[in-house]
Amino acid sequence: NAGVTQTPKFQVLKTGQSMTLQCAQDMNHNSMYWYRQDPGMGLRLIYYSASEGTTDKGEVPNGYNVSRLNKREFSLRLESAAPSQTSVYFCASRVPIKADREDGYTFGSGTRLTVV
Amino acid sequence: GEDVEQSLFLSVREGDSSVINCTYTDSSSTYLYWYKQEPGAGLQLLTYIFSNMDMKQDQRLTVLLNKKDKHLSLRIADTQTGDSAIYFCAERLGSQGGKLIFGQGTELSVKP
Repeated sequence: NAGVTQTPKFQVLKTGQSMTLQCAQDMNHNSMYWYRQDPGMGLRLIYYSASEGTTDKGEVPNGYNVSRLNKREFSLRLESAAPSQTSVYFCASRVPIKADREDGYTFGSGTRLTVV
Repeated sequence: GEDVEQSLFLSVREGDSSVINCTYTDSSSTYLYWYKQEPGAGLQLLTYIFSNMDMKQDQRLTVLLNKKDKHLSLRIADTQTGDSAIYFCAERLGSQGGKLIFGQGTELSVKP
């Protein structure tokens, strides 16, 4: 049981290049999320997917697109990378809420992206 | 909009208690969380508290919730050097699909 797996772990891009960050979970969770982490700013939600086939914008969606390919996979795409997108990106998934039980989110180990 | 605030740094001596504070704004929050992030790693759920509770204790961790003031704290008893990490407070919104909103994180430094 691997939990949430993100690839790649590190990436350097040139301004204007595109790339896709991959995320997969094997816990049969419905909801999946993409966050970015920047120093002194905590984690900010980019996009989320409440269930297979649906996606919604978070706080900072500009410059990103997402695809919920199936229940397991939720990818984040940068079409034209900019230096402002240099960050650590985390994918997370969450179990459905059940009464009197809360397992929180399970996070991947992150992708460290540098745009030069 | 929704906001979660934390102080950025805390330094304590090994063996002392640490108290990390957090304030939030969404009065309809259902759950509040504390996550721990060690260097180069993802976030690990430490503990959580349901919004109708005042206190939750889990071994060395005590969570206090003052819902009137929208104030959450995490107390770590007998702090160890292995507790050095960044601690994030987060609230689950009562709307918008239950998204989590995170604070900026408090970097805890434990000195021997």
